[in-house]
Amino acid sequence: DGGITQSPKYLFRKEGQNVTLSCEQNLNHDAMYWYRQDPGQGLRLIYYSQIVNDFQKGDIAEGYSVSREKKESFPLTVTSAQKNPTAFYLCASSPGTVFEQYFGPGTRLTVT
Amino acid sequence: AQSVTQLDSQVPVFEEAPVELRCNYSSSVSVYLFWYVQYPNQGLQLLLKYLSGSTLVKGINGFEAEFNKSQTSFHLRKPSVHISDTAEYFCAVSKYNTDKLIFGTGTRLQVFP
Repeated sequence: DGGITQSPKYLFRKEGQNVTLSCEQNLNHDAMYWYRQDPGQGLRLIYYSQIVNDFQKGDIAEGYSVSREKKESFPLTVTSAQKNPTAFYLCASSPGTVFEQYFGPGTRLTVT
Repeated sequence: AQSVTQLDSQVPVFEEAPVELRCNYSSSVSVYLFWYVQYPNQGLQLLLKYLSGSTLVKGINGFEAEFNKSQTSFHLRKPSVHISDTAEYFCAVSKYNTDKLIFGTGTRLQVFP
């Protein structure tokens, strides 16, 4: 079955710790995206990558980092510099420009 | 800059009644338009999309939307809703020849028996 997997579904961390969220796709899509979702604010783009070994900042990249070493994988690290990391994080992929994005099930991160 | 406005944050409706979820966008160039649905604690699922052609677009689960260029709107409609349609609905726009989506803030559709 083709799709996007995100793990874990729920993640708890102490303040000051870095944490990495996993995103894997087997759709052979070139582009991948990370969004943050907060209640009443819709989705905001953190980072995106159109090709392996290349990625661009989105609208709220501060405090986050990514890598794209393989086409299938686009992990997101939430660093201790992110002031308010508690949120629902969604990963998406797309065959390329003009096409719709396909979303994973999301990871809910809680930092205390 | 592009933006997407979903005028209603919540829409309560009784089962089997019709519903319209409103979406307006601002852009001076050609755009592509999308509606996504999100069930609690899940990712987003594409309902329908407008790229070009007929302005009336049919999607999954009996939903449809109409692209109105003069009013810069892309309202989502369903003639008869079910309890299972209770979810959050997001309108999104992408500028021609770019791959970034701009999302609205969402409309929570609550269907009552």
